[in-house]
Amino acid sequence: GAVVSQHPSWVICKSGTSVKIECRSLDFQATTMFWYRQFPKQSLMLMATSNEGSKATYEQGVEKDKFLINHASLTLSTLTVTSAHPEDSSFYICRAGSSYNEQFFGPGTRLTVL
Amino acid sequence: KQEVTQIPAALSVPEGENLVLNCSFTDSAIYNLQWFRQDPGKGLTSLLLIQSSQREQTSGRLNASLDKSSGRSTLYIAASQPGDSATYLCAGRSYNTDKLIFGTGTRLQVFP
Repeated sequence: GAVVSQHPSWVICKSGTSVKIECRSLDFQATTMFWYRQFPKQSLMLMATSNEGSKATYEQGVEKDKFLINHASLTLSTLTVTSAHPEDSSFYICRAGSSYNEQFFGPGTRLTVL
Repeated sequence: KQEVTQIPAALSVPEGENLVLNCSFTDSAIYNLQWFRQDPGKGLTSLLLIQSSQREQTSGRLNASLDKSSGRSTLYIAASQPGDSATYLCAGRSYNTDKLIFGTGTRLQVFP
C-alpha cells in the first residue's frame, strides 16, 4: 500500500524556537495534504488542509501565522511551528490523499517544547 | 458541521469477550465512515471503511456497521484478545469535502 513518512518522528526544542515537520508521500502524488494535532488522550483535531501550489486553508481557531504550511510539491508538505511554546507540545499527524477514497496517514511527530 | 462522538470513552474487559464500540455523527449526509486503531504514541492503522451505500464491512474478527438515518456506526470486535488493546477512533467524511472528522476515541484494554 501507499506510504506516507514524517520527519522527524520526535523533536524536543526550546521555547521560542521554530520547528519544521515534513510529510512525504513516498510512492504516489498527494494533491491534498491534511495536518492534524493530537493532545494526550484526546482525538485528532484537523488544523489545516493544503493543496499543492496554493495556500493552506486553516480550521477555525488555528493561527495561520503560527503554523506555517507549505505544499510545494505533490510529494512534500511541511508544517512549521513558529515561536513554539510549551502549549504547542503535541502529536502532529499528516494525511495525504490522491483521491476521495485514498487516505494515508503518516506515523506522526511528537513535539515537546521545553 | 459534522461532529463525531464515541462511547464509551474507555473500556476494560477480560480476554474472550465480544465488544461493541459506538460512534455517533451529526451530519447524516455522510460520504463514508472509517474506523482506525491507534497504539500509544503511534500513528493510525485503518481497520474498516464503510461507504454511504453500504451497511457493514467485515475484516476477520471485526465488523463495522453504518446507519445513516440514526447517525450511528458500531464496531464489533469478536473474541477480544490482549493484542486488541488500543484506542479506536471513528472518522466521518461528508459529501463535498475531503475532510475527515474524528471522534473522541474509545480506549480499550483487554486483559488476560
